[in-house]
Amino acid sequence: AQSVTQLGSHVSVSEGALVLLRCNYSSSVPPYLFWYVQYPNQGLQLLLKYTSAATLVKGINGFEAEFKKSETSFHLTKPSAHMSDAAEYFCAVSDEGNDMRFGAGTRLTVKP
Amino acid sequence: NAGVTQTPKFQVLKTGQSMTLQCAQDMNHEYMSWYRQDPGMGLRLIHYSVGAGITDQGEVPNGYNVSRSTTEDFPLRLLSAAPSQTSVYFCASSSRDSRGVVFGPGTRLTVL
Repeated sequence: AQSVTQLGSHVSVSEGALVLLRCNYSSSVPPYLFWYVQYPNQGLQLLLKYTSAATLVKGINGFEAEFKKSETSFHLTKPSAHMSDAAEYFCAVSDEGNDMRFGAGTRLTVKP
Repeated sequence: NAGVTQTPKFQVLKTGQSMTLQCAQDMNHEYMSWYRQDPGMGLRLIHYSVGAGITDQGEVPNGYNVSRSTTEDFPLRLLSAAPSQTSVYFCASSSRDSRGVVFGPGTRLTVL
């Protein structure tokens, strides 16, 4: 079965600094990969998704992720962090978009 | 277009009580799922459905039942609540082609 591992349960960056959240996947078939964001006491919002088209995927709020098959990775980046980016981020994998498996999450803190 | 709706938003149960968490979507999505979210564990799939009349187990199905009599509704039943079922529950839906999942706002359940 497919799975994802998010490296680092907490990441702290300064405002304006690069954001890098790491995700590695395991899948026996070409995967569909997703990043979701969750703000406190809210549901999950889709940031971006990879579905075997371009390997560099651009999402909302200036985030992007690159699918690297050789490294089985799908890391999330943003060039310049804003205070409003503070949230919990989840990487997820599925083979058909339904039976989706999530990582444990990474909490991003942005310092002024 | 309300998206995915869940009721109730909050619920407190005593051990051994039963209840049903309601989930409905108005997007004519084929796929619907239930997840539970616990600190440090991300979201774990409980049950999912690929269409009316079809359900299947996810990662953590024990203690939960589901049915899918219509495309729109996918209730989650707890037959005999246990403290280990204290969690936040999210319902989600997706279409076969979207390769992405829309989440409801969640139900926070406490079992005493």
